[in-house]
Amino acid sequence: ELKVEQNPLFLSMQEGKNYTIYCNYSTTSDRLYWYRQDPGKSLESLFVLLSNGAVKQEGRLMASLDTKARLSTLHITAAVHDLSATYFCAGNAGGTSYGKLTFGQGTILTVHP
Amino acid sequence: GAGVSQSPSNKVTEKGKDVELRCDPISGHTALYWYRQSLGQGLEFLIYFQGNSAPDKSGLPSDRFSAERTGGSVSTLTIQRTQQEDSAVYLCASSFSVEAFFGQGTRLTVV
Repeated sequence: ELKVEQNPLFLSMQEGKNYTIYCNYSTTSDRLYWYRQDPGKSLESLFVLLSNGAVKQEGRLMASLDTKARLSTLHITAAVHDLSATYFCAGNAGGTSYGKLTFGQGTILTVHP
Repeated sequence: GAGVSQSPSNKVTEKGKDVELRCDPISGHTALYWYRQSLGQGLEFLIYFQGNSAPDKSGLPSDRFSAERTGGSVSTLTIQRTQQEDSAVYLCASSFSVEAFFGQGTRLTVV
């Protein structure tokens, strides 16, 4: 059974600083996903990582995947207030059921001046 | 429509009543998923439909929960004899390939 753990669960950052959210998973996962959720809103897809060594970047966020270490990271560069949200990583056990995901607990990110 | 549409957005029901939650996936998406999000349990997979195949019901928490998908499009999640622990946000997602897109969810409150 796939288990996904994120850390930290709470992250308070100053604007302009860098930080990394870690996502560990327990068994083979063909794909790793990162989602963002604003309060009272749904999940917004950020990144889909499909293979070992995959790195994707969008604005101040960069995600990477190391399947050997069973680890994905979400790196935040020069944080701004707009990045305040909850970030989830999720693994997928494979096959064609792409949306059958096991989610981590979520990391609540607060960026303050 | 442009995205996954769920209705109602909020539902308050009395304990013991049945509720139906609706999901209208993105047009052309062959796969549809239901998830539940609650403070205590986080995001949990409930059920998955893929085309005409038998659904994967492995995440349904009890036999009070059921879902159907008619004509390969709209899906309805039914909870019978609701309990207070069923209070949560129920999220629907659909996909065509590797990426799943989520609807806004239905917030269910059982009083």
